[in-house]
Amino acid sequence: ETGVTQTPRHLVMGMTNKKSLKCEQHLGHNAMYWYKQSAKKPLELMFVYNFKEQTENNSVPSRFSPECPNSSHLFLHLHTLQPEDSALYLCASSQPGTPKNTIYFGEGSWLTVV
Amino acid sequence: GESVGLHLPTLSVQEGDNSIINCAYSNSASDYFIWYKQESGKGPQFIIDIRSNMDKRQGQRVTVLLNKTVKHLSLQIAATQPGDSAVYFCAETSMEYGNKLVFGAGTILRVKS
Repeated sequence: ETGVTQTPRHLVMGMTNKKSLKCEQHLGHNAMYWYKQSAKKPLELMFVYNFKEQTENNSVPSRFSPECPNSSHLFLHLHTLQPEDSALYLCASSQPGTPKNTIYFGEGSWLTVV
Repeated sequence: GESVGLHLPTLSVQEGDNSIINCAYSNSASDYFIWYKQESGKGPQFIIDIRSNMDKRQGQRVTVLLNKTVKHLSLQIAATQPGDSAVYFCAETSMEYGNKLVFGAGTILRVKS
């Protein structure tokens, strides 16, 4: 139990589908993140939200659309994805403004685009 | 279960031996470092951290060493156990990175029984 819960754990979707990944954190943090992890690259930061406001979009294609309705919940809406988008999508949270910006990860959502 | 990092460097150790995992970081201004462990099918899990004003920090069975001169970080695991098998990532952060964590590529640790 990491305090960061992601659903679904596994998702298979076609390139024309619309789906969403959900993340919820129970740590009282005010920053939330989406990371992408694939076999050939290090962890890639996608989006950062601080106090519900998006503070970073790391040149992510518009077929990925994040939503942060409150500090505890984060969504990643997926639309017309490509097979190369297949990866592990990790949600994380941290408490900004602290001396050590340790982030805590969820278990991830395995996405396969067919 | 699924795994990532299929093309990462691999360290194989015998159960009971000590393991040393190395990481070269990129920014001499980085002031905070973390080691994460990622088991198959799970998200990265915080292991231990160290600030740049220290060169060594010990946890339970783990020690992190920091050499700022050569920008090198290492994780030592004492009496390695099968449950230590995982991918290990180092991460660095600094004001220059906006205090965001920058992750290394990772090292696979395989423990042989």
